[in-house]
Amino acid sequence: DQQVKQNSPSLSVQEGRISILNCDYTNSMFDYFLWYKKYPAEGPTFLISISSIKDKNEDGRFTVFLNKSAKHLSLHIVPSQPGDSAVYFCAASARSYGGSQGNLIFGKGTKLSVKP
Amino acid sequence: DAMVIQNPRYQVTQFGKPVTLSCSQTLNHNVMYWYQQKSSQAPKLLFHYYDKDFNNEADTPDNFQSRRPNTSFCFLDIRSPGLGDAAMYLCATSRGRQAQQHFGDGTRLSIL
Repeated sequence: DQQVKQNSPSLSVQEGRISILNCDYTNSMFDYFLWYKKYPAEGPTFLISISSIKDKNEDGRFTVFLNKSAKHLSLHIVPSQPGDSAVYFCAASARSYGGSQGNLIFGKGTKLSVKP
Repeated sequence: DAMVIQNPRYQVTQFGKPVTLSCSQTLNHNVMYWYQQKSSQAPKLLFHYYDKDFNNEADTPDNFQSRRPNTSFCFLDIRSPGLGDAAMYLCATSRGRQAQQHFGDGTRLSIL
């Protein structure tokens, strides 16, 4: 059973508009969430993270929002650029529990296409 | 400069013929991970090394083994590859288990 779900396999957005990628999780022990970006033929690269003590974290054009009660997080990209076209993976861990609980559980990814 | 390097990028092997994938890192991270990712699926953790301590995930098949001879290198051995083992294999490293992971570009394994 998937503990981290990205229900949209793909998303297409016009350049300059907002991209919103969604992620849901089921394990209430998760307390640390990350987004990774993956270009074809490359490994995932870290984009942004958020701890469960926060509900928002911002880094330039990228903002992650966390709604703990809904077990939902989202990544907002504003404004979207063609170079943002990639697969975005959501990941979660139960970091504060220590040991292997800190391992990352990934979603299946959402392929974002930003059209010029 | 690549910090987590996986070789080869593409590997073809025959059904049942042992194969080894390698990963090296220049980050001096103490934790190294191996993930399997099949098409349109989430990367799935197979096992990880915390320093020299090997940690196997409960559902990792016995067919998969790993070796970490030193801090910099980690190997994934598949003893008798089956058609279902065709996938992208990703190596990652981190400083401590709860830290951000750095990934290599992966090895795509094909089974004939």
